[in-house]
Amino acid sequence: GESVGLHLPTLSVQEGDNSIINCAYSNSASDYFIWYKQESGKGPQFIIDIRSNMDKRQGQRVTVLLNKTVKHLSLQIAATQPGDSAVYFCAEIPTGGFKTIFGAGTRLFVKA
Amino acid sequence: DAGVTQSPTHLIKTRGQQVTLRCSPKSGHDTVSWYQQALGQGPQFIFQYYEEEERQRGNFPDRFSGHQFPNYSSELNVNALLLGDSALYLCASSFMRLLTTYEQYFGPGTRLTVT
Repeated sequence: GESVGLHLPTLSVQEGDNSIINCAYSNSASDYFIWYKQESGKGPQFIIDIRSNMDKRQGQRVTVLLNKTVKHLSLQIAATQPGDSAVYFCAEIPTGGFKTIFGAGTRLFVKA
Repeated sequence: DAGVTQSPTHLIKTRGQQVTLRCSPKSGHDTVSWYQQALGQGPQFIFQYYEEEERQRGNFPDRFSGHQFPNYSSELNVNALLLGDSALYLCASSFMRLLTTYEQYFGPGTRLTVT
């Protein structure tokens, strides 16, 4: 069935270092891939998205890379800050549909 | 500008009972999606409402139903509650008419506990 999974359940980084969160997806027919951040007690917050016809997209301190050949998505966070500590979800939207399929999440810990 | 709001914040119900959860979308948004998030898991899509119609549904039984009102607010109803329905229920709103982005704004969720 459709699934979006993550390689690592937890990631611990030092403040100021760069973070890389990886994600594997199984549905080849998807228009959109999205990264969400969820802090404790809050709903997911949109970070950045990328269309399936792109390989890379940059935002403020974040970069998303899409490798369709190996069905891999990654989120890079530059100069990680304590406020970046949260659970990060990758998600995809299959072509022609409207539902968002979320992965299980990676918890990012930022050490001061 | 208010974001997505949900009520109630927390709810405790007994098995077999029925529950109604409410969502008000972000101002200007016309589409509402509902998700169920079990502890330690990613959100699971329940269904999406647009123009007062259910546009797409995830793998949830008919016990889960919804409604969207003319003001775009929405309700999620769950009948015959099971212990496994205990979860955080998230509402997300978006503006679909432009279709330039699938960016969704999530509310804080309703924590449902079934005993």
